[in-house]
Amino acid sequence: QKEVEQNSGPLSVPEGAIASLNCTYSDRVSQSFFWYRQYSGKSPELIMSIYSNGDKEDGRFTAQLNKASQYVSLLIRDSQPSDSATYLCAVNEGGSGNTGKLIFGQGTTLQVKP
Amino acid sequence: DADVTQTPRNRITKTGKRIMLECSQTKGHDRMYWYRQDPGLGLRLIYYSFDVKDINKGEISDGYSVSRQAQAKFSLSLESAIPNQTALYFCATSDPGQGAYNEQFFGPGTRLTVL
Repeated sequence: QKEVEQNSGPLSVPEGAIASLNCTYSDRVSQSFFWYRQYSGKSPELIMSIYSNGDKEDGRFTAQLNKASQYVSLLIRDSQPSDSATYLCAVNEGGSGNTGKLIFGQGTTLQVKP
Repeated sequence: DADVTQTPRNRITKTGKRIMLECSQTKGHDRMYWYRQDPGLGLRLIYYSFDVKDINKGEISDGYSVSRQAQAKFSLSLESAIPNQTALYFCATSDPGQGAYNEQFFGPGTRLTVL
């Protein structure tokens, strides 16, 4: 069964620090990788997409992808209390012949302490 | 206005009742999805649809049915609700023109409680 694994946390970091969230996946042919942020009781919000090996930066967020190691990560620089949320990693299923479905990890809870 | 809307936002019902959750979108996306989320279990796919004539079961379809009334509307029904269907339900959409990218965009969710 195809899986996406995340440490559930909580990951606690002080305000202003870098938060590092990690995700591994089992489907070797996956081509698209996503990070969603979910506040308690709210819906997942897409914050980063990455499709190629390497880094992709968007503001304070950097997504990193290593397909050989089947590993994707999200770095949040200058963490703010408002970043406190659960971060879901999602991977598309099936590569170029993709099924149109995403496989979600269970999420990592991030706590940013003032 | 929100791109993906869900109604109702909250619903409390009793065991055995029939319930319908509705999802509408103005994003013009062909693909629509229904998920449920339970604490500790993450997001699980119930049903998905790639166009009006295409309906597919997800990993947990038992006890649920769906209807794709139009490109913009996708409804989820619980024919006879049971307490373990108490969960947060999300609708999502994606655009097949994105190819393998498959970014999905979520509605605000429906919190369903079955007593």
